[in-house]
Amino acid sequence: QLLLQESGPGLVKPSETLSLTCTVSGDSISSSSYYWGWIRQPPGKGLEWIGSIYYSGSTYYNPSLKSRVTISADTSKNQFSLRLSTVTAADTAVYYCAKTGYCRGGYCYSNSFIDYWGKGTLVTVSS
Amino acid sequence: EIVLTQSPGTLSLSPGERATLSCRASQSVSSSYLAWYQQKPGQAPRLLIYGASSRATGIPDRFSGSGSGTDFTLTISRLEPEDFAVFYCQQYGTSPATFGQGTKLEIK
Repeated sequence: QLLLQESGPGLVKPSETLSLTCTVSGDSISSSSYYWGWIRQPPGKGLEWIGSIYYSGSTYYNPSLKSRVTISADTSKNQFSLRLSTVTAADTAVYYCAKTGYCRGGYCYSNSFIDYWGKGTLVTVSS
Repeated sequence: EIVLTQSPGTLSLSPGERATLSCRASQSVSSSYLAWYQQKPGQAPRLLIYGASSRATGIPDRFSGSGSGTDFTLTISRLEPEDFAVFYCQQYGTSPATFGQGTKLEIK
């Protein structure tokens, strides 16, 4: 069974960089034909797609966050990570890692429906 | 990006009743790439429906999805106590994937 688990600081100061890691178990991110990514949800609000990565390093970022987001993968640790720079209070949210897409028949879909989610981790931006 | 508008914002029903939730897109959703999720407090969303009408693994058949183009519907035929939650639609036919603002289904 595929399991995803987020980890990282729960509190980040304004203007600093938010960093989170997702550890995947039950499958190898380098052997499966999947995209892995991040979605966030501000308290009491809806969901926002942040971005996705394929094990080869190919990435897709939401244009609304693209200038501040970096997603990377460490296949040796079966992990992928999120970095969001210059954070403000508006970046306070529960951050979910997830299986976000797939490649099949020569086509790749970096944004797809999400059938596997991590439990989520709350990150608060405050001084 | 495609904006999804869900209605109603809140739906108050009793167990055993039928629930009908709507999701309208600002432009046509490519290939009916529309999904529905259920989210309970403190939990990650759970995939219910993908491809507008295909049930995800393990989802009871009282959940059904329909629609195409810009108008989509999630129907719960007979509400069980565990069904009350917030429901989100998502389109993934056009990048970036986007979500609706949610419909809260509450016990009347």
